[in-house]
Amino acid sequence: AQTVTQSQPEMSVQEAETVTLSCTYDTSENNYYLFWYKQPPSRQMILVIRQEAYKQQNATENRFSVNFQKAAKSFSLKISDSQLGDTAMYFCAFMTSGSARQLTFGSGTQLTVLP
Amino acid sequence: GAVVSQHPSRVICKSGTSVKIECRSLDFQATTMFWYRQFPKKSLMLMATSNEGSKATYEQGVEKDKFLINHASLTLSTLTVTSAHPEDSSFYICSTPNPGLARNEQFFGPGTRLTVL
Repeated sequence: AQTVTQSQPEMSVQEAETVTLSCTYDTSENNYYLFWYKQPPSRQMILVIRQEAYKQQNATENRFSVNFQKAAKSFSLKISDSQLGDTAMYFCAFMTSGSARQLTFGSGTQLTVLP
Repeated sequence: GAVVSQHPSRVICKSGTSVKIECRSLDFQATTMFWYRQFPKKSLMLMATSNEGSKATYEQGVEKDKFLINHASLTLSTLTVTSAHPEDSSFYICSTPNPGLARNEQFFGPGTRLTVL
């Protein structure tokens, strides 16, 4: 079974600054996918960024980037130039590469961007 | 635009009644849908996997007679909370992968807030 751990229940960052959210996971699989989802107050889950485990290059989406360390089973999210709209709960998630396509979520990090 | 819809978005019911929540895929055929439950400020917990044309697969600890799942078509899955009690009050979310995409992206519905009085 897979587990996903987010050790930071809450974080805050000043607007325009950079913040890093931590995520570690445990799996015996070699091929899998990792995701960061954002859940704003509306509760709608929004995909922020994804990473395929077989790719060594870290994924980047505009102001969002990840630091994927496969050997350490670490998958942190860096948000640059933080904006007020980034305030949300952020969930790290794991998916095996098999047909099941089930997501296993971490406990979440509530990020608050301060003006 | 949204690719997965849920109805209703909010529902308040009396204890002992049953509530049906619908999850629809709008742009593609969804052979698999996942149902999650989320308590305030907590993570999403997978309840069951709904498969079109076959019985749902429930996670350990989830009562299949309490949470009835039906996936009768390729675009609709329903979750019925039977004989609801206050402890069933929660936020219920469905998701489905788009089988046409190779990137394993899941699409989430907007969720349903259930309050049982």
